[in-house]
Amino acid sequence: AQKVTQAQTEISVVEKEDVTLDCVYETRDTTYYLFWYKQPPSGELVFLIRRNSFDEQNEISGRYSWNFQKSTSSFNFTITASQVVDSAVYFCALSPGFQKLVFGTGTRLLVSP
Amino acid sequence: DAGVIQSPRHEVTEMGQEVTLRCKPISGHDYLFWYRQTMMRGLELLIYFNNNVPIDDSGMPEDRFSAKMPNASFSTLKIQPSEPRDSAVYFCASSLGRVNTEAFFGQGTRLTVV
Repeated sequence: AQKVTQAQTEISVVEKEDVTLDCVYETRDTTYYLFWYKQPPSGELVFLIRRNSFDEQNEISGRYSWNFQKSTSSFNFTITASQVVDSAVYFCALSPGFQKLVFGTGTRLLVSP
Repeated sequence: DAGVIQSPRHEVTEMGQEVTLRCKPISGHDYLFWYRQTMMRGLELLIYFNNNVPIDDSGMPEDRFSAKMPNASFSTLKIQPSEPRDSAVYFCASSLGRVNTEAFFGQGTRLTVV
């Protein structure tokens, strides 16, 4: 079965704090893709990153970084020096093989000034 | 490009009425997806098309739901008859080249069935 678990329903931080959003996935496929999407209060979903199962190199994009560990089936997302504009719901998603995406339930991040 | 365009943004209808949601994908994209988002079930893929052909409709909840893509620049999701449990935000998304590549989402249609 394909499954994505985002155990943190909601996280509250104060601006400038670092925050990590957890994502654990389940799949029997050896080839798969992992994604993170952001859903700001305006409602649309915004693509953040896509990684394939053969590339475990961590990625950094500005204040965002992602830690992919196949050994623990995790693909965690860290925001460094959080800002109020980072407040949103963040979704982790899995595409096993070349199949459609399966989304996690999302983590709501609230960054207060 | 204007991105994925959905209409209407909000729809309120009475139970039993027919509802049609519309989507214009990004020009050149060959995949189109319809998702539904609810508090209880999160984001669910309802159906997706490749080159205007429905590929997987296993997520369509029941026969009251139907989707069409008559051409590369337009798709509809129809609910007939609508029920209060259909209330949700419906998203359309499009992508290029693969079913699991970066997808661009529209702003969604918030449907309320009373």
